[in-house]
Amino acid sequence: DIVMTQSPATLSVSPGEGATLSCRASQSVGTNLAWYQQRRGQAPRLLIYGASTRAIGIPARFSGSGSGTEFTLTISSLQAEDFAIYFCQQYKHWPPRLTFGGGTKVDIK
Amino acid sequence: VQLVESGGALVRPGESLRLSCEGSGYAFGTYSMNWVRQAPGKGLEWVSYITNSANRVFYADSVRGRFTMSRDNARNSLYLQMDSLTAEDTGLYYCATSINTPSDFAVDYWGQGTLVTVSS
Repeated sequence: DIVMTQSPATLSVSPGEGATLSCRASQSVGTNLAWYQQRRGQAPRLLIYGASTRAIGIPARFSGSGSGTEFTLTISSLQAEDFAIYFCQQYKHWPPRLTFGGGTKVDIK
Repeated sequence: VQLVESGGALVRPGESLRLSCEGSGYAFGTYSMNWVRQAPGKGLEWVSYITNSANRVFYADSVRGRFTMSRDNARNSLYLQMDSLTAEDTGLYYCATSINTPSDFAVDYWGQGTLVTVSS
């Protein structure tokens, strides 16, 4: 299976600052990459798919980039509701063998 | 769009459990479905996928041969039959679907999950 590695594990950010989260795949996944946000006690929420396309209703402060094995989620000017855990997920293969990264926790500095 | 899971419980190792997920607010039979689980305090793990017509079903290696995913489009319902449960199957089980993305696996709608605990 493709292994997804996220870094850092924890990111401490002050409200209003920006944050950059990284995700690396053990082999190329093209742009078959999604990002999810999970707030405490809630289900995951899709932010980005296709490596860079925002899902419906996602604010423009969230942006995704990358292809192949290296991906980035950028959050500009963090709001209170953005402090959460973020997961990347690859969906390259058919038949499906989806895998998620271990997550990056963004907490308040 | 709403997805509501049910059926989670505390069971002993080796026992079975059947989870359900009822969809509403959309054309349930038009879309494929996934089960994704999350062990307590851990990350996300994809479990299984079923096409909209149920003609194809796929499983993660960790559950293949023990879990069976099915659906009843007339009842807007999705199921996960889990047999030979082990402690490693403990977690919150989400049903999830992709409605507004071009991939069945970039899932934009999730239920709130149902908790399965396997312990003696």
